[in-house]
Amino acid sequence: GQNIDQPTEMTATEGAIVQINCTYQTSGFNGLFWYQQHAGEAPTFLSYNVLDGLEEKGRFSSFLSRSKGYSYLLLKELQMKDSASYLCAVRNYGGSQGNLIFGKGTKLSVKP
Amino acid sequence: EAQVTQNPRYLITVTGKKLTVTCSQNMNHEYMSWYRQDPGLGLRQIYYSMNVEVTDKGDVPEGYKVSRKEKRNFPLILESPSPNQTSLYFCASSRSGQGYEQYFGPGTRLTVT
Repeated sequence: GQNIDQPTEMTATEGAIVQINCTYQTSGFNGLFWYQQHAGEAPTFLSYNVLDGLEEKGRFSSFLSRSKGYSYLLLKELQMKDSASYLCAVRNYGGSQGNLIFGKGTKLSVKP
Repeated sequence: EAQVTQNPRYLITVTGKKLTVTCSQNMNHEYMSWYRQDPGLGLRQIYYSMNVEVTDKGDVPEGYKVSRKEKRNFPLILESPSPNQTSLYFCASSRSGQGYEQYFGPGTRLTVT
């Protein structure tokens, strides 16, 4: 079967660092995306990994290990506006290049 | 402004009354997709289209139809809506090829009574 797992909720303090993990089991793999979604809004793109390693983009970094079926999103210097859901999504090459499978999302609450 | 638009944004309808949710993008993207988002289930792909006249099923296509006659438009059709199709629907588009991010529309909240 196909499955993407993320923690349901996390809480962190303003200014701190938080790591959101994502593990996946899919019939194929053609890249992993992270999206941010504020309550009541559309998801917006954060990062993309297709090769193993770390991709850094300002306060946000994303890591991928294809052999372990594992990724994480690292958020540094947390701000209150980072309170949102974070969605991990895998492009499933096995089915079709167009098939994107999302995890259920991790709701992050940033406290003062 | 580059954007994906959806209409209507909110809709309350009754079981069995056919409806169409429109989706349009102005970025000349080849790829378009429809998702539904439900509490506890996350985003699930309904249908997607790699280009004009090319559509394919996602993970939850039952009860839905789509068409892609023009590059910019990708309407979602519910021929006979049922209460289990009450959901928040998102349309998205992207350039085709590996690694291009999807741009999402603002969402359509549908209630079927």
